[in-house]
Amino acid sequence: EPEVTQTPSHQVTQMGQEVILRCVPISNHLYFYWYRQILGQKVEFLVSFYNNEISEKSEIFDDQFSVERPDGSNFTLKIRSTKLEDSAMYFCASSEEQKRGTDTQYFGPGTRLTVL
Amino acid sequence: GNSVTQMEGPVTLSEEAFLTINCTYTATGYPSLFWYVQYPGEGLQLLLKATKADDKGSNKGFEATYRKETTSFHLEKGSVQVSDSAVYFCALVLYNQGGKLIFGQGTELSVKP
Repeated sequence: EPEVTQTPSHQVTQMGQEVILRCVPISNHLYFYWYRQILGQKVEFLVSFYNNEISEKSEIFDDQFSVERPDGSNFTLKIRSTKLEDSAMYFCASSEEQKRGTDTQYFGPGTRLTVL
Repeated sequence: GNSVTQMEGPVTLSEEAFLTINCTYTATGYPSLFWYVQYPGEGLQLLLKATKADDKGSNKGFEATYRKETTSFHLEKGSVQVSDSAVYFCALVLYNQGGKLIFGQGTELSVKP
């Protein structure tokens, strides 16, 4: 069964450093998403992406964040200058479409980001 | 606004007990509703979904019915197993906001033998 994959599974970085989290969505999916979950809190939406453009972004997704689909398979989340409060589990998801019934988002296993 | 509220956890049950996890929502549009499950050390997996009012989603013995009149989507299972121990998340999707999923806070279920 096709699945979303994410690398690395765990990333440790120093405050102020740049990190890139990588995702390979399901191959025939057209819509891509990033979410995060701070320990003990809700899963929060960060951004959705379609046709090489951001469709929607949350207030969390400020200028320090960017997303890219550098080739036909990868989808990346970059944090330019990490802060302590960026420590969280980051989930990538993809969906085939965004129409009722075909909009199920399939999630990757997550990348745990620890900022020291 | 748009939000999802779930019953507080953790919930501890004995094997073969009946499970209900309450979920209510507020939404400005007409969302689809989902239950996701997160097993220890793993990512989010879709458990079931319902796309319109009165739809019943079901999978692995779990069921939930989309009740528009009470804005609810309660998760039920008649007989839980130890392997059902996980965190369960109720969610809705906003079609007019880039497919954003809004999650409840999650309910941890622990099933004892």
